[in-house]
Amino acid sequence: RKEVEQDPGPFNVPEGATVAFNCTYSNSASQSFFWYRQDCRKEPKLLMSVYSSGNEDGRFTAQLNRASQYISLLIRDSKLSDSATYLCVVNTNFGNEKLTFGTGTRLTIIP
Amino acid sequence: EAQVTQNPRYLITVTGKKLTVTCSQNMNHEYMSWYRQDPGLGLRQIYYSMNVEVTDKGDVPEGYKVSRKEKRNFPLILESPSPNQTSLYFCATHPLGTDTQYFGPGTRLTVL
Repeated sequence: RKEVEQDPGPFNVPEGATVAFNCTYSNSASQSFFWYRQDCRKEPKLLMSVYSSGNEDGRFTAQLNRASQYISLLIRDSKLSDSATYLCVVNTNFGNEKLTFGTGTRLTIIP
Repeated sequence: EAQVTQNPRYLITVTGKKLTVTCSQNMNHEYMSWYRQDPGLGLRQIYYSMNVEVTDKGDVPEGYKVSRKEKRNFPLILESPSPNQTSLYFCATHPLGTDTQYFGPGTRLTVL
């Protein structure tokens, strides 16, 4: 089983719709969780951290479910500019501060 | 401006010809690492460094070397590149004790 698993998509969603992604992780001791965004083979950039209580940043909401070992990202009122690949990232080794990346979910917003 | 720079950005080379990809950061971060990104496999860590003169293997270190003689620089060395090292390479940094990584713009390497 992969340490971090995501549905690769692609998700083709009409502009204005709500879309949600899930990501599962295998190490129950993982402490830190993130969503990164990557545009068209450019460098990944932090979108948001994911906290136990859930957190919201504008149209984006991230949630963590420790019992089921998954994190989610919800995008409301999607914009064309949201088209990107979304990477789920988990801190799985605290000794070396190593982050493990999912393979990404590709999202395309359709006009 | 906080920056992570990589050079070259694009490189086409031939099997066996030694090459170095440079990475430099101006944020005084202790932690630096190298990743490669391949379709269907995501980002995989090659090597990392938690400070000057401290380096360690990541998940896929075979065929690569690194050095950390100065805090700001973390070059990736391919002594004898092979076609299976054709990939997109990212350098990343962060201060120790935090998780948010800052990535360089990437180096697209093709080994013929």
